[in-house]
Parts: sequence; structure tokens; C-alpha cells
Amino acid sequence: DSGVTQTPKHLITATGQRVTLRCSPRSGDLSVYWYQQSLDQGLQFLIQYYNGEERAKGNILERFSAQQFPDLHSELNLSSLELGDSALYFCASSVDPEVNTEAFFGQGTRLTVV
Amino acid sequence: GEDVEQSLFLSVREGDSSVINCTYTDSSSTYLYWYKQEPGAGLQLLTYIFSNMDMKQDQRLTVLLNKKDKHLSLRIADTQTGDSAIYFCAEKANQAGTALIFGKGTTLSVSS
Repeated sequence: DSGVTQTPKHLITATGQRVTLRCSPRSGDLSVYWYQQSLDQGLQFLIQYYNGEERAKGNILERFSAQQFPDLHSELNLSSLELGDSALYFCASSVDPEVNTEAFFGQGTRLTVV
Repeated sequence: GEDVEQSLFLSVREGDSSVINCTYTDSSSTYLYWYKQEPGAGLQLLTYIFSNMDMKQDQRLTVLLNKKDKHLSLRIADTQTGDSAIYFCAEKANQAGTALIFGKGTTLSVSS
């Protein structure tokens, strides 16, 4: 168990809908990362937050947004869902990304858009 | 931009050594990582190497880094069926904060 908790584990929704994925980082970790894993694109970095502030953006679509709350948990919001958004979404956390080398991953949320 | 390349599949027999190779593009990467993903599970950090090192050994795992060729390899000695998984090479991205940039993963299949 990595200590990173993601909910829900599975989500099935229809095209055009909006969903929210939740991540609770390891205790003491200030940085949260979101990744999307799909068969064709592999693991793609989406966005990073550090202590409540956006730190870096990767290949995140405009239909997607995220935030990190004062208690450090994070949510990834996916809207106007398309079939191609079906993927495994991972959250990872680390203590201080500048000095710590390890990021710990949650088990992921499997999103299926039908 | 950063890009990490890996071969997609490797098949070995139990007891043999497995070598998974990776090339990366960002020469300023300070750390390079190997993660393991078992079916239905998240990614587990196996090991990492700092860029000023050539080699790192950790029990059955040996990481070799060739900075000149931007080549990273992971050797698993005495491979077991429980080692069957997807192995990801990753570098710490400079252009994306401190996020990791992953290769597409190498599926290791170990037969008995």
C-alpha cells in the first residue's frame, strides 16, 4: 500500500457527462500529480499541484481541470467526456519534489466512457 | 521536449536474467527511475539512479546508466514468474515542474 488513496476505483459514465476523481496523498506529502494512462498514449502527465498551488501543466485538455484543497487532497474534474477519455487516471504524491526523489502512486481510477 | 523510449515486450524463462532497455532525451535529467506495474495495480517504484552514477545495485536489480548515449537499463537477475509485469522507465522532466516523464512500458513475460 503506497498510502495514496484514489476514489472511486471504477467509473462508468456517458459521453458529454462530467466526473470528479479524488486523490488523498500520503500523510505529509505536499505535492500531487495527475497522470492519464491509455493504451495508445501510455502514461501522460496531466498536472501537478504543490501545497495548494498549480506547479506544472502537462498534456491536460481544456475540458479537464484540477485543484488541491487546504487539506492537500486533490480532485481532477473531467467534463464533456468523450469516448477517448476512457483511461486509467493515476494520482501520485511526494513530499517536496525539489529534494525528494520518490513519487508514490495510487491504485488509479478506471474511467470508462460509453 | 522530453521523450522516453522503451521496447514494448520481453519474454524470458524463469531463472534467466532480464534486461530492459530505455533511452531518454533530456540530458539534464537528474534522476532516472524504474517503476513496476502489476495487473490491476498502481505503479511501484523499483529503483532510481542519480545522474552522476553509472551503476546501482539493489538485490536482484542492477541499473546501468550511460549518460553519453542517454541509455538506461534494468537487469533483473534470476527472474521469477512474479516479476511478470510492465516496467516503466521515467525521467524527471525539467519543462514540467518536477513531474516524471514515462516511457510506454515494457511488458515482461516470465515463463516457467
